[in-house]
Amino acid sequence: GAGVSQSPSNKVTEKGKDVELRCDPISGHTALYWYRQRLGQGLEFLIYFQGNSAPDKSGLPSDRFSAERTGESVSTLTIQRTQQEDSAVYLCASSLQGGYGYTFGSGTRLTVV
Amino acid sequence: AQKVTQAQTEISVVEKEDVTLDCVYETRDTTYYLFWYKQPPSGELVFLIRRNSFDEQNEISGRYSWNFQKSTSSFNFTITASQVVDSAVYFCALAKYNAGNMLTFGGGTRLMVKP
Repeated sequence: GAGVSQSPSNKVTEKGKDVELRCDPISGHTALYWYRQRLGQGLEFLIYFQGNSAPDKSGLPSDRFSAERTGESVSTLTIQRTQQEDSAVYLCASSLQGGYGYTFGSGTRLTVV
Repeated sequence: AQKVTQAQTEISVVEKEDVTLDCVYETRDTTYYLFWYKQPPSGELVFLIRRNSFDEQNEISGRYSWNFQKSTSSFNFTITASQVVDSAVYFCALAKYNAGNMLTFGGGTRLMVKP
């Protein structure tokens, strides 16, 4: 597609439930990143995929967080047993290769009640 | 470890004023990338500029200009003759030079341009 697409744009969930967030990167972009942005704050790196290499999961805050990517296409970020502190905007970005021209999606606003 | 500091959390100016957004970074790498992004109220991050560490030439793009000073680890962003549409949160970010590394973001500066 023309840009990075994320769905849903908004998600309200009850504490303790699992959620899945989806990112559809720009076609041909081998690198894909997930970031989290809490209200009024900067972006925190979560995870990075590059082609078929093992992902860099160094930013995942706990084992409740996991992400997958199918080849060089769609990625899903899963948060299990959601907590209120997980409330944030989750942003996905892709690039042709890491270090060049990241394009961000509009994000998924997650609210845990 | 890498770190990006944007000391100004919020700036308010009147339209047509010039404004400079500060960015100071820390890295042990000798080669790296620096970025500025704009996040308007819609929430999407808009790429403004990427600068590599071995190119210290300042850059101008319309009303935007960037001053990269490696000696002081700063990459400041100036908007000349600000407009209401410039109102947004601006983020400075740093990435390792190796292909594929993640961005380290500053906390952002909220710019409000009043008519």
